Amino acid sequence: EVQLVESGGGLVQPGASLKLSCVASGFTFSDYWMSWVRQTPGKTMEWIGDIKYDGSYTNYAPSLKNRFTISRDNAKSTLYLQMSNVRSEDTATYYCTRQHLDYWGQGVMVTVSS
Amino acid sequence: DVVMTQTPVSLSLAIGQPASISCKSSQSLLGTSGKTFLNWILQRPGQSPKRLIYQVSKLYSEVPDRFSGSGSETEFTLKISRVEAEDLGVYYCWQGTHFPRTFGGGTKLELK
Repeated sequence: EVQLVESGGGLVQPGASLKLSCVASGFTFSDYWMSWVRQTPGKTMEWIGDIKYDGSYTNYAPSLKNRFTISRDNAKSTLYLQMSNVRSEDTATYYCTRQHLDYWGQGVMVTVSS
Repeated sequence: DVVMTQTPVSLSLAIGQPASISCKSSQSLLGTSGKTFLNWILQRPGQSPKRLIYQVSKLYSEVPDRFSGSGSETEFTLKISRVEAEDLGVYYCWQGTHFPRTFGGGTKLELK
């Protein structure tokens, strides 16, 4: 059974940094591109970016490229999202997804507020 | 960015009725590979999204055949032949042809 389990969310102050993790199981992690998607409190879905199976290439939403970094550790079957200089509009539930968004984690909430 | 427009915003239907959701894109979703990467997901209340349909009309293995997808270029439709209680939730279309990937605003299916 494919499982994706995110962690690392919480309340963070504007301008701070935060790193989310996603541990994958039930499939060969190193064979798949992986993505991050976020859902705002108003339920709008926004694709953040993705990373190639070997970690050698990434794509990002242009609006987030300068502040968000996606990485992975295939030995740990773990996907990461490094968020920097966070803003109130980054408040959302963040989902880890497999290639083609065919599997989603349970999501982790990030709240940016002072 | 490709803008995905879904209609209606909400649907109120009785069990057994058919449902139809439209998704229109601001650009053609036909890729250079000849494939069209228009997909549908369902988010049930309190849950994370689940896969439904990929490449316009291909159902994932666990999806009941009362669901169907159709369309081309910029206009797409998700249909449910007979709504069941487990179909409640918000349906999103999303495109994987162009970067960045983009989503429709969602269609909420409620029981009448």
